[in-house]
Amino acid sequence: GAVVSQHPSRVICKSGTSVKIECRSLDFQATTMFWYRQFPKKSLMLMATSNEGSKATYEQGVEKDKFLINHASLTLSTLTVTSAHPEDSSFYICSARDLGVGTAGKLFFGSGTQLSVL
Amino acid sequence: EDKVVQSPLSLVVHEGDTVTLNCSYEVTNFRSLLWYKQEKKAPTFLFMLTSSGIEKKSGRLSSILDKKELFSILNITATQTGDSAVYLCAVNSGGSNYKLTFGKGTLLTVNP
Repeated sequence: GAVVSQHPSRVICKSGTSVKIECRSLDFQATTMFWYRQFPKKSLMLMATSNEGSKATYEQGVEKDKFLINHASLTLSTLTVTSAHPEDSSFYICSARDLGVGTAGKLFFGSGTQLSVL
Repeated sequence: EDKVVQSPLSLVVHEGDTVTLNCSYEVTNFRSLLWYKQEKKAPTFLFMLTSSGIEKKSGRLSSILDKKELFSILNITATQTGDSAVYLCAVNSGGSNYKLTFGKGTLLTVNP
């Protein structure tokens, strides 16, 4: 299947700092990528849809100025958590669609980033 | 609001048992239903179902969709400890846009 790489896998930062998370599609081009957040023992919650070359679409309740998304190329989307606070601590996962033959309609996930804000 | 409900929320079995995980949904613009296995990190893709009554099979895992009754099941036969994970059901309900709504998952624990 398609490979999505996410980096870093774990980050610990001080309150008030900004953290950037990268998501790359390694063997396919992704015009659309998705960013999810997952709390312990909870399901994946869609935060935003990242569109290559245009503004991201945010889900209701997600602050776009807090979670900055950039999708400057067909293989890279970044999520920046600005002025992080302890309540932003969570597991963030990116995903991408591979529209190739045999994989269209399937979403492939990165390995996730565990963010801990002290 | 689109809704995906999985049951049971957790399940403990012994190696060799057969398990059935359930997923029901209420969504507009249904396009497909997907099953994922999540161990420690990111979910890994298992199946995508779009048509009713057609069983998808991969080794000991199989899944089927009923679009009339709005549910899907995931079966795992001869379970192994390596099957222990959270199994997530998601429905693509975005119409022309792609949007996955996830259930809360079923935590499966297989004891030796």
